[in-house]
Amino acid sequence: GAVVSQHPSWVICKSGTSVKIECRSLDFQATTMFWYRQFPKQSLMLMATSNEGSKATYEQGVEKDKFLINHASLTLSTLTVTSAHPEDSSFYICSARDLAGTTRGAFTEAFFGQGTRLTVV
Amino acid sequence: AQKITQTQPGMFVQEKEAVTLDCTYDTSDPSYGLFWYKQPSSGEMIFLIYQGSYDQQNATEGRYSLNFQKARKSANLVISASQLGDSAMYFCAMKSNFGNEKLTFGTGTRLTIIP
Repeated sequence: GAVVSQHPSWVICKSGTSVKIECRSLDFQATTMFWYRQFPKQSLMLMATSNEGSKATYEQGVEKDKFLINHASLTLSTLTVTSAHPEDSSFYICSARDLAGTTRGAFTEAFFGQGTRLTVV
Repeated sequence: AQKITQTQPGMFVQEKEAVTLDCTYDTSDPSYGLFWYKQPSSGEMIFLIYQGSYDQQNATEGRYSLNFQKARKSANLVISASQLGDSAMYFCAMKSNFGNEKLTFGTGTRLTIIP
């Protein structure tokens, strides 16, 4: 299947600093990528939908100015956690759809990155 | 709005036995897809199996099969001949065929295979 690479896999930062997480589709083009957040022992919650060449669509309750998303190319989306605080510590994971790849009925399979574990101290 | 319910927070199963992980869903959309993902302790989400709402047959992928009962709105995952490497979190998810492409996840089931 298609490969989505997420970097870094883990990061520790000081409170008040910003952290950038990259999500790359390595062997396919992704016009749409999704960013999820997962707290320990909880499910994945969609934060935002990243659209290449346009503004991201944020889910209700997600601060746009806090979580900046940029999707400048068909293979790269970035999530920047600005002025991070300890409550932002979480597991962040992205996914992308390979529009030209495997289709299953009316849907196209989504592939996930490896995730980034962010710890803010 | 879509909702996924996984009522089993944790399960312990003897190695080589079959296991069924429950998933029920709620949606008003006539066309949708159901997914199962495996999340090992390392964190990545591994796609296991997909079932379309109009698929006539239950999906199968190797040792994984999906027991799809549309009238009951259930999509249980069956793992046959469980292995130690199957120990992980398992998430049921769904996506509508209308609107955006986002996945709605259940709360997950932690499966532990006992040697």
